Amino acid sequence: AQSVTQLDSHVSVSEGTPVLLRCNYSSSYSPSLFWYVQHPNKGLQLLLKYTSAATLVKGINGFEAEFKKSETSFHLTKPSAHMSDAAEYFCVVSGRFYNQGGKLIFGQGTELSVKP
Amino acid sequence: DAGVTQSPTHLIKTRGQQVTLRCSPKSGHDTVSWYQQALGQGPQFIFQYYEEEERQRGNFPDRFSGHQFPNYSSELNVNALLLGDSALYLCASSLLAGSHPETQYFGPGTRLLVL
Repeated sequence: AQSVTQLDSHVSVSEGTPVLLRCNYSSSYSPSLFWYVQHPNKGLQLLLKYTSAATLVKGINGFEAEFKKSETSFHLTKPSAHMSDAAEYFCVVSGRFYNQGGKLIFGQGTELSVKP
Repeated sequence: DAGVTQSPTHLIKTRGQQVTLRCSPKSGHDTVSWYQQALGQGPQFIFQYYEEEERQRGNFPDRFSGHQFPNYSSELNVNALLLGDSALYLCASSLLAGSHPETQYFGPGTRLLVL
């Protein structure tokens, strides 16, 4: 069965400092992996996705993530945090072979706080 | 290009009642998935519809049912509401025939409160 574990429920950084949100995954096959962001009272927005191409994936708003098969990790990073980055972040794994579509399996979320 | 839209935005019901939530997918998408997000939790997959049929289902009771129409829009119905059904219900659309069919785009959600 596929699953994701987000290692921190809450991360707090100062504006202008780097962001690291950690995610480990478990999958019996080569997975598709995603990061979504959810701002308060808003829906989920896709930040970036990995689908077995380049292991370093660049997303929107300066975020990027690196797929490391040996470590079963897919950590999200950003060099410099902005106040507008404060939100809930979800690491997500696809539940099927990517060419068959299907359900997404979400982690529990990491709340990112950004201090001025 | 309109994204995924959902209605209503908020809803209050009492235990035992029935509710219908609606979703219109992103233009060009043919598949609709529904998720339940309880407070402080990640979304949980309810089911997915393609070609007007339920294609996959998560671990939810039969009180949760759905429908997809020929124009690809979808409804989620919940019967005999329980207090525990209070949650944000998210609709996501995707294109099954696309190069990345698992990439899903989410609507803003319907917040359901059961009293």
